[in-house]
Amino acid sequence: GAGVSQSPSNKVTEKGKDVELRCDPISGHTALYWYRQSLGQGLEFLIYFQGNSAPDKSGLPSDRFSAERTGGSVSTLTIQRTQQEDSAVYLCASSFNRGANEQYFGPGTRLTVT
Amino acid sequence: AQTVTQSQPEMSVQEAETVTLSCTYDTSENNYYLFWYKQPPSRQMILVIRQEAYKQQNATENRFSVNFQKAAKSFSLKISDSQLGDTAMYFCAFSLATGNQFYFGTGTSLTVIP
Repeated sequence: GAGVSQSPSNKVTEKGKDVELRCDPISGHTALYWYRQSLGQGLEFLIYFQGNSAPDKSGLPSDRFSAERTGGSVSTLTIQRTQQEDSAVYLCASSFNRGANEQYFGPGTRLTVT
Repeated sequence: AQTVTQSQPEMSVQEAETVTLSCTYDTSENNYYLFWYKQPPSRQMILVIRQEAYKQQNATENRFSVNFQKAAKSFSLKISDSQLGDTAMYFCAFSLATGNQFYFGTGTSLTVIP
């Protein structure tokens, strides 16, 4: 079946602009995660959605970052007033339930802020 | 707080040889899961192997096996008969059975030399 998809695969934007990154999880997966991967770094947790529960936003680095998950499926990560330090690969993952279960990752969106 | 440490930023191995990647973690919890993920240059993160903390037996998946030492909080990955396609970043990850977050190490870049 289809895996996790993300769009766009690459995004170049000017400093100060807003960007939206999209994630389509695997059908039936109730858990969805966003991570940020800076060059040469590990994965930094951003936000977690589980079903209809309130999201865990504890990893969002600033109030410029927000995310939504509509209908328990597609998710959008929005970065407002982008800064150069926002340049990174943004990875989305989904899993069936949480914690114990394997996360399936999308190919990521490479964001470059000029 | 949970932390994951990978102390080997880069490693190399000759094709067909065996290599071991190190990972240590810190937690006060008893029920958790450990993972090794592979990220090739294509950026697609793929699960390599998974270990439940309550299981004493080390997990194996074909050429990949782990040495799980719970008391030492160590979780190393052994790759036998290394192949060129094993060249990738390898991330160790930890999740609590009842938690939302996955905690990732900073990764080890493995190069298989022909």
